[in-house]
Amino acid sequence: AQSVTQLDSQVPVFEEAPVELRCNYSSSVSVYLFWYVQYPNQGLQLLLKYLSGSTLVKGINGFEAEFNKSQTSFHLRKPSVHISDTAEYFCAVSDKTSYDKVIFGPGTSLSVIP
Amino acid sequence: DSGVTQTPKHLITATGQRVTLRCSPRSGDLSVYWYQQSLDQGLQFLIQYYNGEERAKGNILERFSAQQFPDLHSELNLSSLELGDSALYFCASSVLGGSGANVLTFGAGSRLTVL
Repeated sequence: AQSVTQLDSQVPVFEEAPVELRCNYSSSVSVYLFWYVQYPNQGLQLLLKYLSGSTLVKGINGFEAEFNKSQTSFHLRKPSVHISDTAEYFCAVSDKTSYDKVIFGPGTSLSVIP
Repeated sequence: DSGVTQTPKHLITATGQRVTLRCSPRSGDLSVYWYQQSLDQGLQFLIQYYNGEERAKGNILERFSAQQFPDLHSELNLSSLELGDSALYFCASSVLGGSGANVLTFGAGSRLTVL
């Protein structure tokens, strides 16, 4: 069975500073990886996804993530954050052999400080 | 607007009661997922349906049940409610197939408060 670990539950960062949100997964088979964002009082929306090919994936709002198979990681990065990036970020994994189930990590709360 | 509609948005009820949460998936999506989000448990996968049939089951309690109807809308039934069932319940939909990866579109959620 797959599982997802997000090592930081809360990440405070100053506006215009870079940020990295960490995600590690475990799975016995190949996986698809996702990052979702949840703004206050809203549902989750897709930021970016890794399906295959290039390990560097670009998403919306200037975010990108890098898939590292040897380290089973899929860390999310942004070179310069804005106040509007304050939100909860969830890493998720689905298994290529049984892609029905999508498992989410516990989430990382990003707070951008003016 | 994501295209996934959940009703009701808010629901307050008492312990021991039963409630039904409803979800209409995005047009064209055949698959519906239910998740429970609480502060202590995070986002927990409950159950998934595809075109009317159950496809995957997660940490869903026996007091909870769900179904997907021929028009593809889904209902999550929660019975014998306990204080610990208070949470945000999300529905998400997707189209299975294509690249094979499930990109989920989430609704805004139904906030259940059990008093």
